Amino acid sequence: AQRVTQPEKLLSVFKGAPVELKCNYSYSGSPELFWYVQYSRQRLQLLLRHISRESIKGFTADLNKGETSFHLKKPFAQEEDSAMYYCALKETSGSRLTFGEGTQLTVNP
Amino acid sequence: NAGVTQTPKFRVLKTGQSMTLLCAQDMNHEYMYWYRQDPGMGLRLIHYSVGEGTTAKGEVPDGYNVSRLKKQNFLLGLESAAPSQTSVYFCASSYFGGAWTEAFFGQGTRLTVV
Repeated sequence: AQRVTQPEKLLSVFKGAPVELKCNYSYSGSPELFWYVQYSRQRLQLLLRHISRESIKGFTADLNKGETSFHLKKPFAQEEDSAMYYCALKETSGSRLTFGEGTQLTVNP
Repeated sequence: NAGVTQTPKFRVLKTGQSMTLLCAQDMNHEYMYWYRQDPGMGLRLIHYSVGEGTTAKGEVPDGYNVSRLKKQNFLLGLESAAPSQTSVYFCASSYFGGAWTEAFFGQGTRLTVV
């Protein structure tokens, strides 16, 4: 069965500091991984996909199959990055989309 | 273009009552999902559907039933509500895009069972 684990429920950093949100997964096939973000009073929305390998709002995430991880990183955090972040895994040949427990990121001024 | 709309936004039920949550999407998506969001537990998949007339169980299906009679609608039913079903419920829909898939979410339904 597929599983996504985010070990940190809460993460607090100061503005300008680097931030890393951890995500580990277990899946027998080749995973399709995503990061979703939920800003206060807004809907959950896609932040980035592993396949696109692009930077969105300064965030990047690299799929490490050896360590089964997909950590989200940003070199210089901004106050507007404060939000709940969810890592998600979709089965390769199907539709089931599984989310982790979420990490609440707070960026302090 | 409304996207994904959930009805109602808030509801208080008494233990044992029944209710149906409606999810409607206007993007012609094949896939639809129902999740519950609880503190510290993230989003847990209740049921999902890969097309009109099909449904499948997710991680936490007990106590819930679903129907997808029309492609644009996905209904979540609670036959006999329990306090453990107090949660925020999210509906989502997506197209079939493999690793390019993007799920679009509703605004959520806050349900309290007393």
